[in-house]
Amino acid sequence: AQTVTQSQPEMSVQEAETVTLSCTYDTSESDYYLFWYKQPPSRQMILVIRQEAYKQQNATENRFSVNFQKAAKSFSLKISDSQLGDAAMYFCALMNNNAGNMLTFGGGTRLMVKP
Amino acid sequence: DTAVSQTPKYLVTQMGNDKSIKCEQNLGHDTMYWYKQDSKKFLKIMFSYNNKELIINETVPNRFSPKSPDKAHLNLHINSLELGDSAVYFCASSQLGRKSEQYFGPGTRLTVT
Repeated sequence: AQTVTQSQPEMSVQEAETVTLSCTYDTSESDYYLFWYKQPPSRQMILVIRQEAYKQQNATENRFSVNFQKAAKSFSLKISDSQLGDAAMYFCALMNNNAGNMLTFGGGTRLMVKP
Repeated sequence: DTAVSQTPKYLVTQMGNDKSIKCEQNLGHDTMYWYKQDSKKFLKIMFSYNNKELIINETVPNRFSPKSPDKAHLNLHINSLELGDSAVYFCASSQLGRKSEQYFGPGTRLTVT
């Protein structure tokens, strides 16, 4: 069985500052994907960033970047120049390429952004 | 233009009733999913389905059943609703294979009284 753990139930950051959300995972598979999803109060699930396990280079999407440490099974999300619109629940998720491509989610981190 | 749509968005019903939630995707994807998000925001896969196979999370009670009339639809039927079924249910779709990002619907908030 695979697991995803987010150890920070809540985080806060000052507007324009940088914040890092933690995620660790466990899987016996060698071929998998990792994701960060954002869920604002509207409850829509929005993909923030994706990382293929076979790629050593960390993924980046504008102000969002990851620190992927495969040996440590760690996948943290860094948000730079935080904006008020970044306030949301953030979920780390793991997908193996077999078993129907189902996502296993962490428990989520609520991010608050202070003006 | 909505990629993945769900109806209804809100559903309030009594214990013991049978209800369905509909899901449609217009992305041409071959795989669809149902997830449950409980009151603590924890998200858990319930089903994965494509035209070849249905994969069921073993923890899902058999009162829950997915039904797919065609490739673009995966409806969720729930029999004999219980209080613990109250949650937000998300439908998602993807194309199997590499770079298979899942696209989520807006969710259906089910309240069982």
